[in-house]
Amino acid sequence: QTVVTQEPSFSVSPGGTVTLTCGLTSGSVSTHYYPNWYQQTPGQAPRTLIYSTNIRSSGVPDRFSGSILGNKAALTITGAQADDESDYYCLLHMGGGIWMFGGGTKLTVL
Amino acid sequence: EVQLVESGGALVQPGGSLILSCAASGFALGTYWMSWVRQAPGKGLEWVGNIKQDGSEKYYADSVKGRFTISRDNAKNSLYLQMSSLRVEDTAVYYCARYSSPPRNYDCWGQGTLVTVSS
Repeated sequence: QTVVTQEPSFSVSPGGTVTLTCGLTSGSVSTHYYPNWYQQTPGQAPRTLIYSTNIRSSGVPDRFSGSILGNKAALTITGAQADDESDYYCLLHMGGGIWMFGGGTKLTVL
Repeated sequence: EVQLVESGGALVQPGGSLILSCAASGFALGTYWMSWVRQAPGKGLEWVGNIKQDGSEKYYADSVKGRFTISRDNAKNSLYLQMSSLRVEDTAVYYCARYSSPPRNYDCWGQGTLVTVSS
């Protein structure tokens, strides 16, 4: 079965730029997978950042952006801030009404 | 204010059953697809399933297919997750979420309810 892959962890300096990716163990991610991105801090519900590849959810700062880079979906954070330190999850539509989350990326800002 | 509030989480023995509820307020539940997502302790998010506005279409993750059933009562603005043949690995916080399609966006989440499966 195809699995959605994400970097387990990533580190960025305050003010820096980081790109997290979301791929597949088999095949390429395209806009047809309607990539969604979520931010989650411990003990909290997920917060929607990006949907349908690159549409920012209401209230999300424009330093968060989504795209397709090569064969993966990507979430780029420009000008990282301390409170961006969170877990980030991508969610892909696998077809047939089925969705699948990636394993998540733990982002450290230091 | 749009809000989702889950309830019904409990400690249950392996092989047991449980029904979770999700109360929606601030919007008409019957105009949206709805979803359940879960998160095992210290683990990532797992999509559980979706249900169409009128309940005519339902989709489930392979890990719960045949054991879990999603249903809804639009008149009561409520969503349900009926869980049976529970396993230790079903232990998780269960979130309900509103799914807007188009544009395929899980745009509102509840705070979750904890289900613990243990003997």
